[in-house]
Formats: sequence, C-alpha cells, structure tokens
Amino acid sequence: EAQVTQNPRYLITVTGKKLTVTCSQNMNHEYMSWYRQDPGLGLRQIYYSMNVEVTDKGDVPEGYKVSRKEKRNFPLILESPSPNQTSLYFCASSLNGVDEQYFGPGTRLTVT
Amino acid sequence: GENVEQHPSTLSVQEGDSAVIKCTYSDSASNYFPWYKQELGKRPQLIIDIRSNVGEKKDQRIAVTLNKTAKHFSLHITETQPEDSAVYFCAAPLPDFNKFYFGSGTKLNVKP
Repeated sequence: EAQVTQNPRYLITVTGKKLTVTCSQNMNHEYMSWYRQDPGLGLRQIYYSMNVEVTDKGDVPEGYKVSRKEKRNFPLILESPSPNQTSLYFCASSLNGVDEQYFGPGTRLTVT
Repeated sequence: GENVEQHPSTLSVQEGDSAVIKCTYSDSASNYFPWYKQELGKRPQLIIDIRSNVGEKKDQRIAVTLNKTAKHFSLHITETQPEDSAVYFCAAPLPDFNKFYFGSGTKLNVKP
C-alpha cells in the first residue's frame, strides 16, 4: 500500500531535549516536505527536499533541521525544542514539487 | 515569496446548497493550484487541482475556477452533503523554488 508514515504520532517533551520525528514514504517520490499546522495559520512549510542530499528552507525553518540521506526517509530534528514549537506536524511527499502531495498521519508535539 | 489569502475562514451552509471558497495569490509565476480537504483529526488530502493552462476543472460536485489575470482561484461545491464538512485549504506553490504556500483554511459546516 502506497503511504507516508510518521513516528511518533504523539510526543510530549520538555524544553531543550533534542528530538527527532521520522518520516518515510514507499512511493519512490523525489519531493518530500515538512509542515506545521497551527490554528488560524493553515499549513506552513518548514523544510523541503527535491532529492537525496538536496534540502532547502521553507517559510518557517528556524529551530528545525532535516536530512535526506535516503530517498524514502526525511527526518525532522528539533535540536533544542521550545514551547512555541508545540504544534501538529505533517510530513508529505510528491512525485515532484508541483504535484499532488501525500500527507502522513501527523505528529502532535507538545513542548513544556 | 508567495502570499496566499483564503476567504472565508468559516462557512456554514444548509445541506443541498452550494459553497464557494476563494483564494488569491501574489506571484504570477505560480501555475499549479490544488485544493486539499482535511476532515477532523485526519490528514489533508487532495480533492481537485488545476494548472494555469485551463480556466476551469470539474469532478462531479466539485469544481475549481482560475483567473490568472486577477490572480485568484475558487473552489465550488454543489449540492453539499454533511460529509463535505471539513477544513479546506488552497495552495499555490512557486515552481522555480518548489516552495509550497497554503492558505489559512476554510472550515465548512454543512447543516443537515
């Protein structure tokens, strides 16, 4: 089954404790992206990747890191989480950048 | 970067009525305009999209119209049903940069 998976689905952590949210797709998509969703603000792009070892900043990259060492995986790293990073995070993939995006199930992160 | 504005933020209609959601964008380079539906607690899913070489596209009860001169595009849902209740997002990615910009969302409530 074609899908995008994310882990964990829920995470409560404390300020400053490094964390990683994993994202994996099995559709051989070249484009992958991370978004955060906050009430009234819609979906805002954090980082995206056009292919292996190619990543670029989206609209709200501050406080986040990503890597794309393999085509199928695109982890999101928060080196020192802060409460303003409490949000719902979605990973997505598409064949290329300007095409249908397939979203993962979301990760709800709470930073206290 | 791109600026995507979406209106209204909430929309309540009676079952069977039509619903229209409008988005405007700022960058004339945008040439792909998708609409995503997000049901409560679920991930966003593409429902319809349009590319800049056409002015209208229909899929059963859903249609999207595009006015490139005025830089706006609209989602039209006819004969609304309770299962159409969801949050709808428009988007306007910038092709040269592969950045994805979403509108802030419209919460549609279809009253039975």
